[in-house]
Amino acid sequence: ELKVEQNPLFLSMQEGKNYTIYCNYSTTSDRLYWYRQDPGKSLESLFVLLSNGAVKQEGRLMASLDTKARLSTLHITAAVHDLSATYFCAVDINSGYALNFGKGTSLLVTP
Amino acid sequence: SAVISQKPSRDICQRGTSLTIQCQVDSQVTMMFWYRQQPGQSLTLIATANQGSEATYESGFVIDKFPISRPNLTFSTLTVSNMSPEDSSIYLCSGLAGRNTQYFGPGTRLTVL
Repeated sequence: ELKVEQNPLFLSMQEGKNYTIYCNYSTTSDRLYWYRQDPGKSLESLFVLLSNGAVKQEGRLMASLDTKARLSTLHITAAVHDLSATYFCAVDINSGYALNFGKGTSLLVTP
Repeated sequence: SAVISQKPSRDICQRGTSLTIQCQVDSQVTMMFWYRQQPGQSLTLIATANQGSEATYESGFVIDKFPISRPNLTFSTLTVSNMSPEDSSIYLCSGLAGRNTQYFGPGTRLTVL
């Protein structure tokens, strides 16, 4: 059974600081996704990582993938309040494109 | 990209009744899925909606409880049957556009009394 573990589950950080969210998964997978969810909203796709060593950046967020370690990271640089949300990583199940989600990291950025 | 809409956006239902949720995509997608997100929790896959054939259900979900249809490449329905308060959740559909980008609908917030 594919398991996806995120940590931390809760993160409170000050504006301007850097931090990393970790996503470990238990079996080989072809694709790893990062999504953002604002309260009461649906999921917004942030990144799709397809290969070992893949790195993608958008604004203050950078995601990377190490398939050998079965680890993805989402790095936040110089956090701002607008980044406050819940971030999910997800891994596809048996290469079938259906997704297995981590529990999510609830991020709060404070002044 | 794909824009996904769902109807209804929310509903309050009585125990023992059924609710059908509709999912419409503005362009053809190769695959469609239904997920459940219980309050404060992550998303759990219910099933893959297969066009013109029976859906593929994940462990713990059965067709009698969650019948799914997908008559074409842009539309799917999920019915939550014989509801109980434990079915109170947000139900989301998603569509795979291209090979790697999966888009989600806004969700249907269901409360069962």
